[in-house]
Amino acid sequence: DADVTQTPRNRITKTGKRIMLECSQTKGHDRMYWYRQDPGLGLRLIYYSFDVKDINKGEISDGYSVSRQAQAKFSLSLESAIPNQTALYFCATAKATGTTRGELFFGEGSRLTVL
Amino acid sequence: AQSVTQLDSQVPVFEEAPVELRCNYSSSVSVYLFWYVQYPNQGLQLLLKYLSGSTLVKGINGFEAEFNKSQTSFHLRKPSVHISDTAEYFCAVSDAANDYKLSFGAGTTVTVRA
Repeated sequence: DADVTQTPRNRITKTGKRIMLECSQTKGHDRMYWYRQDPGLGLRLIYYSFDVKDINKGEISDGYSVSRQAQAKFSLSLESAIPNQTALYFCATAKATGTTRGELFFGEGSRLTVL
Repeated sequence: AQSVTQLDSQVPVFEEAPVELRCNYSSSVSVYLFWYVQYPNQGLQLLLKYLSGSTLVKGINGFEAEFNKSQTSFHLRKPSVHISDTAEYFCAVSDAANDYKLSFGAGTTVTVRA
C-alpha cells in the first residue's frame, strides 16, 4: 500500500459544485501539503500544515480550503469549483528532522476536471 | 523568497547518450536543493538532494548534480540514459533555515528515443 494515499484519483465535476480531495498517510509525518500541478507551471503550493492546529496558506490558496482532521489526514476542498481549477493535485508529507529533512513524499495525485 | 528556473522545457535525447538538465535558483539565503522525477501517471519521487557538504551529489538511477553557489545553479546529469528515464524532472529549492516550503521549477520533459 502507498504511504501517501489520495482519493479520488480522478474526478470530473461541473462548475459550482463542491469537491473534496482527501489525503491520508502512514508515514507518521507531522507536515502535510497540498500542491497543484499545471503544465508549464510546475507545482504550486496551495496550503500546508505543521500539525492539526497549525494550517497555513500557500501561494495560491484563493478558492480553496483545507481541513487537518488528524495527524494522518489532510483534505482539500473546493467550495464552488470553476474551470480554471482543472489540474492535477498532489498531497505530500514531510518530516521536520532526521535524514529526510526537507524532503517531500508525494501521493500519486488526484486529477480534477471542472466542466 | 526563493525561486527556480529550469532552462529547458523539453529535452529529447537518444538512448545511451548523456543528458544534462539545467536549473538556476534565486535566493538571498542559504538553500537546500532537490531534483524530483515524475514518471507518467505517477507522483513525484526524489532523485537527489543537496543540503550541505560536497557540492557533487549522487542520486538514484545513476543521476548526479553539482551545486555551484557562484553560478546559483544545480544542474542534473546522467552519462548514459535509458528508455526508462523518459519522465518529467523538477528542480526545487527551499530556505535552509526554514525548510518547510519547497518552490518548484516548471519542469523539464525528457524523452529518450531508441
